[in-house]
Amino acid sequence: EVQLVQSGAEVKKPGESLKISCKGSGYSFSNFWIGWVRQMPGKGLEWMGIISPGDSDTRYSPSFQGQVTISADKSITTAYLQWSSLKASDTAMYYCARVLQGNGFDYWGQGTLVTVSS
Amino acid sequence: NFMLTQPRSVSESPGKTVTISCTGSGGSIASNYVQWYQQRPGNAPTTVIYDDYRRPSGVPDRFSGSIDSSSNSASLTISGLKTEDEADYYCQSYDSNNRGVFGGGTKLTVL
Repeated sequence: EVQLVQSGAEVKKPGESLKISCKGSGYSFSNFWIGWVRQMPGKGLEWMGIISPGDSDTRYSPSFQGQVTISADKSITTAYLQWSSLKASDTAMYYCARVLQGNGFDYWGQGTLVTVSS
Repeated sequence: NFMLTQPRSVSESPGKTVTISCTGSGGSIASNYVQWYQQRPGNAPTTVIYDDYRRPSGVPDRFSGSIDSSSNSASLTISGLKTEDEADYYCQSYDSNNRGVFGGGTKLTVL
């Protein structure tokens, strides 16, 4: 059974760093890209970027380029989303999802809620 | 910039059929596959349609997807509406630079 299990909720202060994770299981992790999606409170879904765990090739939405870093460690079948300096506007639910050959998402993680507040 | 536009909300009665549109602008919607995701309140999204019209296993055949190049739009049709179909629905595709794009989402009310 394909599963994506994300790390737990985080509460951080502005300026702090953060790395959240997404562990894949039940399939060949290196063979499928993994994507990250943001959902701000009460808002819609936003495509942030995707990574190929096999070779770490990464593509970012222009809106998120330079704001976050997407990485992966295929040896432990885990993808990551990280911030070096959080802002209050980063408060959101973040989802990881597996990318299909046709570029859509098929399996989704349960989401990680990130709250940034002083 | 390629954008996808959806109606903010639609409503229909149980047992009826509803169609949610997703109109592309700034590019051809037929250039890349379109996906549809369902998100019930408080839950993660799930995929109901991928590659324009394909259904993941477990998604009932009441859900169908289509593309209309002439209107540069995609549609999600749900027939035999059930109260459990009440959710937000998002279309998604890619732009010419291979970057993903979501529509703004449509709230479906089944009343």
